[in-house]
Amino acid sequence: QVQLQESGPGLVKPSQTLSLTCTVSGGSIRSGNSYWNWIRQPAGKGLEWIGRIYTSGSTNYSPSLKSRVTISIDTSKNQFSLKLSSVTAADTAVYYCARDTVAAAGGSWHNYFDPWGQGTLVTVSS
Amino acid sequence: DIQMTQSPSSLSASVGDRVTITCRASQYISSHLNWYQQKLGKAPKLLIYAASSLQSGVPSRFSGSAFGTDFTLTISRLQPEDFATYYCQQSYSGPFTFGPGTKVDI
Repeated sequence: QVQLQESGPGLVKPSQTLSLTCTVSGGSIRSGNSYWNWIRQPAGKGLEWIGRIYTSGSTNYSPSLKSRVTISIDTSKNQFSLKLSSVTAADTAVYYCARDTVAAAGGSWHNYFDPWGQGTLVTVSS
Repeated sequence: DIQMTQSPSSLSASVGDRVTITCRASQYISSHLNWYQQKLGKAPKLLIYAASSLQSGVPSRFSGSAFGTDFTLTISRLQPEDFATYYCQQSYSGPFTFGPGTKVDI
């Protein structure tokens, strides 16, 4: 089955750009017409959706982060990536990648996040 | 943005108990509501999608229901492996928001 794995630096300096990559294995990133998402979770806190990218390259971002976020996709490498610019300590979190799966239920289509990567901790500190 | 609230924020229960967690959306989301379980240090795991559809492989003691903008997750007989934090999430419109979580402990 499809598995996701995040990778990237675990430490980023304030004001710099956080860059993470999610590698998809066990299937093609182009199959199933899926959206591919980034979600983060500060230590001891809840989950925050950052944004997503479709296999065509179209993106949707959370308005609260939109000015600083770029999500891109490389179908040849079966990867998608996150860049978050001008980071501060508030961006310290575990970052997850997840597939947006679509299923039919009750006569309509429904999206949910599954599967998820294991998550990677990114600390913003000088 | 659609705001999601959950109650209670935490609860203590015993093995075999029936547990109910409530999630409320700030506006109409139809049945576009998902439930996830997260154990310490792990990624969230999907339990229920579309408010009441059980994800494949999830034990049948988990169930979900909807009443307008109120949603419930019920664990019929709590098992030791169910002690975790539970999150609801709306998939009706972006940004796709999560509830603050409900921690279930002993």
